[in-house]
Amino acid sequence: QVQLQESGPGLVKPSQTLSLTCSVSGGSISSGTHSWSWIRQHPGKGLEWIGYIYYGGTTYYNPSLRSRVIISGDTSKNQFFLKLSSVTAADTAVYYCARENTIGWYYFDYWGQGTLVTVSS
Amino acid sequence: SSELTQDPAVSVALGQTVRITCQGDTLRSYYANWYQQKPGQAPILVIYGRTKRPSGIPDRFSGSGSGNTASLTITGAQAEDEADYYCNSRDTSGDHLVFGGGTKLTVL
Repeated sequence: QVQLQESGPGLVKPSQTLSLTCSVSGGSISSGTHSWSWIRQHPGKGLEWIGYIYYGGTTYYNPSLRSRVIISGDTSKNQFFLKLSSVTAADTAVYYCARENTIGWYYFDYWGQGTLVTVSS
Repeated sequence: SSELTQDPAVSVALGQTVRITCQGDTLRSYYANWYQQKPGQAPILVIYGRTKRPSGIPDRFSGSGSGNTASLTITGAQAEDEADYYCNSRDTSGDHLVFGGGTKLTVL
């Protein structure tokens, strides 16, 4: 069974960099059949895709966040990471990591439980 | 456009049938998926590839669609189906992902 678990600080100061880790078990982030995404949800709002990392380290980002986002991975630890720079209160959200199937159809089949990150001084 | 549009809220009487729709140009190129999200929980996949149901999802959930529209139908809605439902797909470029704004389903 595939499991994803987000971890990182729950509180980040404005203008600093938000850093989160997604630890994956039961599946490999170096798999060529899946991409690995970060998704966030502002309080009481909908889901917003942030970006993903794919086999070989290829990344794609939401154009609205591209200038502030870096997603990277460590295949030896089977983890992938999110860095979001210059955060403001508008970046306060629950952050999810999720696996997307990329063979046949594109869909998110496994999600982490989510972690709330609050941006506040 | 790479956006997906959903009605913000829909209600259904217990045991009746409800359809939730999702519209967007990208659905002409990529199949829609549907996720159910209950308060405080992560989303779960209920339909993928427009019509396919993952194992463990009740058969009262079904998907359909054509052109730029996808639909999620719940036949015989149960109280436990009250949740937010999101559609998603790849965007027209194929490299990015998009979500609809979500539909809050109330079971009366």
